[in-house]
Amino acid sequence: GAVVSQHPSWVICKSGTSVKIECRSLDFQATTMFWYRQFPKQSLMLMATSNEGSKATYEQGVEKDKFLINHASLTLSTLTVTSAHPEDSSFYICSARPKAGGAYEQYFGPGTRLTVT
Amino acid sequence: AQSVTQLGSHVSVSEGALVLLRCNYSSSVPPYLFWYVQYPNQGLQLLLKYTSAATLVKGINGFEAEFKKSETSFHLTKPSAHMSDAAEYFCAVSAHPSGNTGKLIFGQGTTLQVKP
Repeated sequence: GAVVSQHPSWVICKSGTSVKIECRSLDFQATTMFWYRQFPKQSLMLMATSNEGSKATYEQGVEKDKFLINHASLTLSTLTVTSAHPEDSSFYICSARPKAGGAYEQYFGPGTRLTVT
Repeated sequence: AQSVTQLGSHVSVSEGALVLLRCNYSSSVPPYLFWYVQYPNQGLQLLLKYTSAATLVKGINGFEAEFKKSETSFHLTKPSAHMSDAAEYFCAVSAHPSGNTGKLIFGQGTTLQVKP
């Protein structure tokens, strides 16, 4: 149980285009989903927290107009990187917090590797 | 503000040897602490967590960690390394335990290499 999936697992896009990444909790409902960014050989940096049915809360320094987050249902959150540039290339990881779980119970997706050319 | 520091970005041990991955934290309130493991191109898997109960926490795959408030440490250990333990390990601290936000702050990560 407690499986989180991400789609796509990897994507290559051209500079200036937008790309959408999906995060799904497959066997539980998630009231909260977190989006992280990880550079090679580095730690995870929290980008934003999304709660179902409300606007996402972005961390300081994260451009909300560039990284659009939508938490449309209790099992799906999407991250759209708009007008992508090579510096947006990274590994994006989501995690989902179960509706019935503890505050710090969260399950991570396998990640999406984005390469912008 | 909460923070976590992992000492040693790379640790190499022989198979069967003791694994010790170091983590020190800084927190203005009693913290919740976590260890996660990440295999290449995968997400994170929780190894164990400390949430103010027993100071010695046992996790999956034979790992354990001890919360030492006096040393502000939460080091991860395993008595005998296995080849399959080779991975990236992250220590994390709760950002706002009193706020119950669920946000985590991660350390820089430690790459564990296991030599045959």
